[in-house]
Formats: sequence, structure tokens, C-alpha cells
Amino acid sequence: EVQLVESGGGLVKPGGSLRLSCVASGVTVNTYSMSWVRQAPGKGLEWVSFISSSSNYIHYAESVKGRFTVSRDNAKNSLYLQMNSLTAEDTGVYYCARDRTLDFWGQGTLVAVSS
Amino acid sequence: ESVLTQSPGTLSLSPGERATLSCRSSQSVNSDYVAWYQQKPGQAPRLLIYGASSRATGIPDRFRGSGSGTDFTLTISRLEPEDFAVYYCQHYDRSPKGFGGGTKVEI
Repeated sequence: EVQLVESGGGLVKPGGSLRLSCVASGVTVNTYSMSWVRQAPGKGLEWVSFISSSSNYIHYAESVKGRFTVSRDNAKNSLYLQMNSLTAEDTGVYYCARDRTLDFWGQGTLVAVSS
Repeated sequence: ESVLTQSPGTLSLSPGERATLSCRSSQSVNSDYVAWYQQKPGQAPRLLIYGASSRATGIPDRFRGSGSGTDFTLTISRLEPEDFAVYYCQHYDRSPKGFGGGTKVEI
């Protein structure tokens, strides 16, 4: 079965950090770029970050630049998002997705930033 | 940066009717890099259309994407009950890879 499974979400205080993981099974991601997309409660989709297959190209949304770091481990078929200096505006469901076309998505992991 | 604006915000239709969803970009975008996604409540989005007009694997032919430049359209020829959802457009040719605000298709 094709799956992207995110983990690492949870409740964190403002200013805190979290590290999200996305592990692929049943689907090849090593030769594809990957992205993180988030969705605040009741809101639309927001693109967060992009990383190319070999990690040569990395891009971030302005809203997270300097605070979030995306990385990947192709040997482990995994993608990561290190999130620092979190604020309430970072609250939402975080999805990982494969390829520039976002053809496969995980089920998402919830990040809640609150004191 | 290209900002995508979707209209209408909500589309109220009945099963069997035709739905026409618009996505307008603030700057011309390469149509090779425009996609449409469907999202149902509590679910992750699903890719419907990529390259402005190519259907993703398993997407029925009642879904059709079209457009170029700054204006793109998703047409659902005959709405099925399972098509009532929120639809997003996105450009992915360069970063930031923005999404439109979404169109909710409701009964």
C-alpha cells in the first residue's frame, strides 16, 4: 500500500520547537522532490517548503524562512521539518507530499502552538 | 510572486449539474505547472489535474482542466455526490508555490 506517514506533531508553547518526520512506504520518494504543506484550522492550504531529490534546491515560504529547516534522508525514505521559534500562527495540520505535482500526500500531523 | 485568486468562494449546485471553477493568477504562469486538488472534510488533499489539463491517475474524465497565462479553469461536467468538496489550484513552477484560497462546491 502506498503511504506517506507524518509524525512528530503535538502541543508546544510559543517559542518552542518540534521536528516533524514523513516516512514513505510502498512508494518511491528518493528520486522525487518533496514538499511540506500546512493548513490552519478551518483555513486553506499553505505551501511551506520544498526540497529537491538530492537536497540541492531548498525553498521556504516567507512566513517560515529562518525558523524552519527541511531535510531528507533518502536511505531511510524520509523527510523532515525542523520547526523553531514557533508561534500561534504555525498551528495547523502539516502534510508532506511527493513531487512538484504533490501527487501523493500523507494524512497529516497536527501542530498546536499555545501557552 | 504569483498570487492565485479562486472564484467563486462557494458554488451551490445539485448532482448532475456542471461546475465551473476559476483560478486567476496575478502574473502569467507557465501552464505546465498549474495543478488542481480536491479536499474533503478530514482528509488530505488529492491531486486531480497537473500541467493545467492532465488528469492524475484514477481521476474520472468528468474532471477537466484548461487555461493558460493568468486564467485557469476546472470544470466538472456532471457532479456526482462524491464531488462535493473544496478545490484548490496551485502553481508549482517556482517558489513560493502558492495555492489559491479554494472554492467550496456544496449541495
